[in-house]
Amino acid sequence: GAVVSQHPSWVICKSGTSVKIECRSLDFQATTMFWYRQFPKQSLMLMATSNEGSKATYEQGVEKDKFLINHASLTLSTLTVTSAHPEDSSFYICSAIADRSYNEQFFGPGTRLTVL
Amino acid sequence: AQSVTQLGSHVSVSEGALVLLRCNYSSSVPPYLFWYVQYPNQGLQLLLKYTTGATLVKGINGFEAEFKKSETSFHLTKPSAHMSDAAEYFCALLSGNQGGKLIFGQGTELSVKP
Repeated sequence: GAVVSQHPSWVICKSGTSVKIECRSLDFQATTMFWYRQFPKQSLMLMATSNEGSKATYEQGVEKDKFLINHASLTLSTLTVTSAHPEDSSFYICSAIADRSYNEQFFGPGTRLTVL
Repeated sequence: AQSVTQLGSHVSVSEGALVLLRCNYSSSVPPYLFWYVQYPNQGLQLLLKYTTGATLVKGINGFEAEFKKSETSFHLTKPSAHMSDAAEYFCALLSGNQGGKLIFGQGTELSVKP
């Protein structure tokens, strides 16, 4: 089956620093990737849609300058949380769509970000 | 507008009992529906999906769901709960006109008592 990885699985950083999270499709090419944020005991909140070779489309209320997304290749998208603050602490999950299965998203294992 | 509603944020069953997790949707176009399971600190795993065709869909781990258009429902069932089924379950609807976006329900936490 299609596998999506995320790195790192968890990260702790100091307030004011930037953190980069990678999302990779391991055995398929992902034309579209999605980034979600999940707070404890809550559902997934879509942050942005990332298409290879073009700018990401952000959901309403998500700060573009705060959460930088780059989809540099068909197998890699990155989310950079810039100048992180404690309120950015959350579980970040990516997913990917391949053309061959347009109606199914394959999810990564998530990244736990803790900002001190 | 499209939406997904999961009835019951928390469901508790005894081991061996029937599992029923409820999901209702609203969509102006024929829906593609999904059930995902999430274990603590992990990503989402697809249990099953409905796109077209047979309305009774069988998934992994003994789960199944029935698409009922007249009731706009897609409830998830499993005849006999296992302890390992304890997790968070999400029902999702593929957005018909927004490039593959998923619309998630609020989630239902399933607890299984010994």
